[in-house]
Amino acid sequence: NAGVMQNPRHLVRRRGQEARLRCSPMKGHSHVYWYRQLPEEGLKFMVYLQKENIIDESGMPKERFSAEFPKEGPSILRIQQVVRGDSAAYFCASSPQYGQYGYTFGSGTRLTVV
Amino acid sequence: GQQLNQSPQSMFIQEGEDVSMNCTSSSIFNTWLWYKQDPGEGPVLLIALYKAGELTSNGRLTAQFGITRKDSFLNISASIPSDVGIYFCAGPTQGGSEKLVFGKGTKLTVNP
Repeated sequence: NAGVMQNPRHLVRRRGQEARLRCSPMKGHSHVYWYRQLPEEGLKFMVYLQKENIIDESGMPKERFSAEFPKEGPSILRIQQVVRGDSAAYFCASSPQYGQYGYTFGSGTRLTVV
Repeated sequence: GQQLNQSPQSMFIQEGEDVSMNCTSSSIFNTWLWYKQDPGEGPVLLIALYKAGELTSNGRLTAQFGITRKDSFLNISASIPSDVGIYFCAGPTQGGSEKLVFGKGTKLTVNP
């Protein structure tokens, strides 16, 4: 049983480029969550999605960030026109149903903006 | 917004010692979660607590859900080198939301 798969593990982008982070949830899990972790900090919620629907995006910056979870394929977190402050570890988690808070997290994507 | 305060920020202990760390909030939480994060990895769920006063063990780990529902404790007995990492407490935000709020973590170093 594969866990939550995130790729790439490391991503380097120049300022102004786009970053695409992918997340494949565990088999049978239809709920996906994205979190961001800055150095020496805890994880901060960004967005919660179910298949084809954004349920809660209250933690997403209003500009440049978007997320999707299509019917087929992985969930994508997209950051347009990256800036240095976007450098962080981005974690995806999944759960099989609503109300199961003990999500399974992936290993994360470490984004570095140079 | 809701915040979780973890203490201590870091701990340096000898192998074999017991460890205790805690997490407090000014808000009530109905669920408390304890995660461990190894360097370069995502957090791994250690223990979940769902009821005030609940005491739950997972091997050498024991966690308690405080009676006031505003705090939780994690104890590790007889620490070993692989206990090294960052321990986070987390809980769901109010209003039945699916999102979790995390503390800033307690960084544990175990000297062999």
